Amino acid sequence: QSALTQPPSASGSPGQSVTISCTGTNSDVGGYNYVSWYQQHPGKAPKLMIYEVSKRPSGVPDRFSGSKSGNTASLTVSGLQAEDEADYYCSSYAGSMIGVFGTGTKVTVL
Amino acid sequence: EVQLVQSGAEVKKPGESLRISCTASGYSFNTYWIGWVRQMPGKGLEWMGIIYPDHSDTTYSPSFQGQVTISVDKSISTAYLQWSSLRASDTAMYYCARLRYASGSTYYMDVWGKGTTVTVSS
Repeated sequence: QSALTQPPSASGSPGQSVTISCTGTNSDVGGYNYVSWYQQHPGKAPKLMIYEVSKRPSGVPDRFSGSKSGNTASLTVSGLQAEDEADYYCSSYAGSMIGVFGTGTKVTVL
Repeated sequence: EVQLVQSGAEVKKPGESLRISCTASGYSFNTYWIGWVRQMPGKGLEWMGIIYPDHSDTTYSPSFQGQVTISVDKSISTAYLQWSSLRASDTAMYYCARLRYASGSTYYMDVWGKGTTVTVSS
């Protein structure tokens, strides 16, 4: 399984929106509605932000939203705040019980 | 509170063996998959493999098949990641995470341990 493709970086000013893409294949992102997104601050463990493409776990602000079209999933962070500055990783089910992560995107709040 | 507590940092020499642990609490350990994720220094997350504690059913990523062994001890709600002969390239942070999986229904990691740093150096 090859890693899903994400842009290395994205940025926005406080209050703006930023969207991160996650491109896979018909065998992972395009084949299942099991895309999840994780936020990782430096030196910290990843934290689940979105699961099943667009669902938010309890406690995750509604500024975070997810979507999918074909083989590409997206995470949008609206109303950017300083604490949103972190690395973000997508992940997808890839069949046969195996998962795959994206290459990661560093989000900078300008 | 649902949590996964990982064992402490390890410093090993090439060729040595190692087993790191991940102890669960606050939920029914036997009925949720546990996964292991590698993060090499300055790099991204890599999916290594998963285990279902109730019957030790295990699946490995092709990249890690034969390189590591994942196991559990249900009696103490603990999952393990093991190497028989470490290499310098195994130097990384290793996370365990609870995997929510139901065939045809869902697949995501909802609870993460804080990670175990493994350093392999001569």
